[in-house]
Amino acid sequence: AQSVAQPEDQVNVAEGNPLTVKCTYSVSGNPYLFWYVQYPNRGLQFLLKYITGDNLVKGSYGFEAEFNKSQTSFHLKKPSALVSDSALYFCAAHFQKLVFGTGTRLLVSP
Amino acid sequence: DADVTQTPRNRITKTGKRIMLECSQTKGHDRMYWYRQDPGLGLRLIYYSFDVKDINKGEISDGYSVSRQAQAKFSLSLESAIPNQTALYFCATSDRNRDPYEQYFGPGTRLTVT
Repeated sequence: AQSVAQPEDQVNVAEGNPLTVKCTYSVSGNPYLFWYVQYPNRGLQFLLKYITGDNLVKGSYGFEAEFNKSQTSFHLKKPSALVSDSALYFCAAHFQKLVFGTGTRLLVSP
Repeated sequence: DADVTQTPRNRITKTGKRIMLECSQTKGHDRMYWYRQDPGLGLRLIYYSFDVKDINKGEISDGYSVSRQAQAKFSLSLESAIPNQTALYFCATSDRNRDPYEQYFGPGTRLTVT
């Protein structure tokens, strides 16, 4: 079955440090991959996507993600975390419809 | 995204009651979706509609029904609410012609069934 996994329920990082939020997928073929962010009491907001081309994708708010086909991963990264980045992050893949991971809560401490 | 609105934003109802959640969009998108979010489970697709005459079940459609009244409106009904339908419900839209894979979400409806 097609699936998306986010192995970490929560990631803690200090402000100014680099952050990584992990995502792996299980699918046959070439998936379209996405990251969304959810702030408290808000709907999900699109951050970035990978369709084809360069494996490093840049998105909103300084985030980027690296597609690694051999490891079937699409990790979200940011070189320098901000307290305001604290939110719930969802990885998703499109296999005929959008399939979401379970989400990772990012906490950035001052 | 203010272009996708959901009403009500919060609702408490009792077991057995019928309830409708409404979604409206001004983005002009043809595709609309209903998801529910539960802690630790992420978002799961309930129903989706690719146009007014096209309605499809998602992975967890049991106990729910939908109506696509117009291109801009997509409502979700719980015919007889039960406590395990307590969740956060999201409506989303996408545009087949512009980017069918990128979805735009409403602010959510928090539903509690007692």
